[in-house]
Amino acid sequence: DAGVIQSPRHEVTEMGQEVTLRCKPISGHDYLFWYRQTMMRGLELLIYFNNNVPIDDSGMPEDRFSAKMPNASFSTLKIQPSEPRDSAVYFCASSPSGTGGMHEQFFGPGTRLTVL
Amino acid sequence: GENVEQHPSTLSVQEGDSAVIKCTYSDSASNYFPWYKQELGKGPQLIIDIRSNVGEKKDQRIAVTLNKTAKHFSLHITETQPEDSAVYFCAASLGSNYQLIWGAGTKLIIKP
Repeated sequence: DAGVIQSPRHEVTEMGQEVTLRCKPISGHDYLFWYRQTMMRGLELLIYFNNNVPIDDSGMPEDRFSAKMPNASFSTLKIQPSEPRDSAVYFCASSPSGTGGMHEQFFGPGTRLTVL
Repeated sequence: GENVEQHPSTLSVQEGDSAVIKCTYSDSASNYFPWYKQELGKGPQLIIDIRSNVGEKKDQRIAVTLNKTAKHFSLHITETQPEDSAVYFCAASLGSNYQLIWGAGTKLIIKP
């Protein structure tokens, strides 16, 4: 398996523009997580899905952020409009279902977003 | 809200020596405690994990201990090598569900 795939790997955009980050989870994994990583705030969970359904989006910073999972093999995280404070590395991770949530999360390589 | 505290933020050890990273958690219902290693430019990768019904687990040079009464767990790396240099994150499950609460990370530096 190729692992979790994210695109693009790097994104540079100007303030006010729409940004779409993409993720393909590992086949067969039922859970998908979107994280944001910054020096100041560390690793933050933004939202996670189970069987394509959003379970907890309490980490989404504000209405400018939205995430979708139209099918088991694809998810997007959209920021509209983008702001300089959104600059961060965004990770997607997937996990198989199992007993009591005790399963490894497999992380993608991340998308480094810079908003000018 | 629930949180995980991780110490130290930076740890520098001589190659061949041992390194210990400590975490405390607040959610008494947490039952799963993984440790992840993040190398530069990559996503975190699981290196070892422990369940709440186990006090210690070892995997070659790496070991994790858990004290549920005190709500703390630790990562021990023995005979450190240059390739151990990375950022290490501890995490705890939010209750028994799939969401993890993450520590702030420890930058481990192995001096030659």
